[in-house]
Amino acid sequence: SQQGEEDPQALSIQEGENATMNCSYKTSINNLQWYRQNSGRGLVHLILIRSNEREKHSGRLRVTLDTSKKSSSLLITASRAADTASYFCATGSSGNTGKLIFGQGTTLQVKP
Amino acid sequence: DAGVIQSPRHEVTEMGQEVTLRCKPISGHNSLFWYRQTMMRGLELLIYFNNNVPIDDSGMPEDRFSAKMPNASFSTLKIQPSEPRDSAVYFCASSPTPKESPLHFGNGTRLTVT
Repeated sequence: SQQGEEDPQALSIQEGENATMNCSYKTSINNLQWYRQNSGRGLVHLILIRSNEREKHSGRLRVTLDTSKKSSSLLITASRAADTASYFCATGSSGNTGKLIFGQGTTLQVKP
Repeated sequence: DAGVIQSPRHEVTEMGQEVTLRCKPISGHNSLFWYRQTMMRGLELLIYFNNNVPIDDSGMPEDRFSAKMPNASFSTLKIQPSEPRDSAVYFCASSPTPKESPLHFGNGTRLTVT
């Protein structure tokens, strides 16, 4: 069963522009994570934000979490062609069992 | 650190055959997850283990699927008998602890059942 739903499904931008992806979820969580997947490869962890945090930064990445709206956003600033990939949000349940449920993902294309 | 190692990378088999996928997690990681990825259904959690013990197998689609973790450094996912609808990419992932930890994914096994 899917917990996170990403929006948009696909995004195409020019190098240097910012890319924003959104994730909505349905049930209570204790953390939300963002992953990147390049074609033919496994997922790579980008950033984890806990339910008591509102914003987190890592390099060119900025993640926000709004638990009242059950939503999160991932902002990639000054995008590069190498950022072309699929991006997934994953939610960890408030039961804290370690189980992570992934959304369908956003496919990002950054044109040089 | 070699990361999570999965084998084989590609598997092509005929319907009805048994398929065994293998995973070696990162040394010291206590949790191991099996996911399946398809275009239609996205990433689905099949089963996960903590300290070699299966915790939640509610995602295993049918009795044809089984998973084992005989020790901390090895896990298998078996499909018997395989069907064309099992065609997918199967990922193994491990994490240091079961709670609030990033997952480290292998590069997956692409299974094609004809």
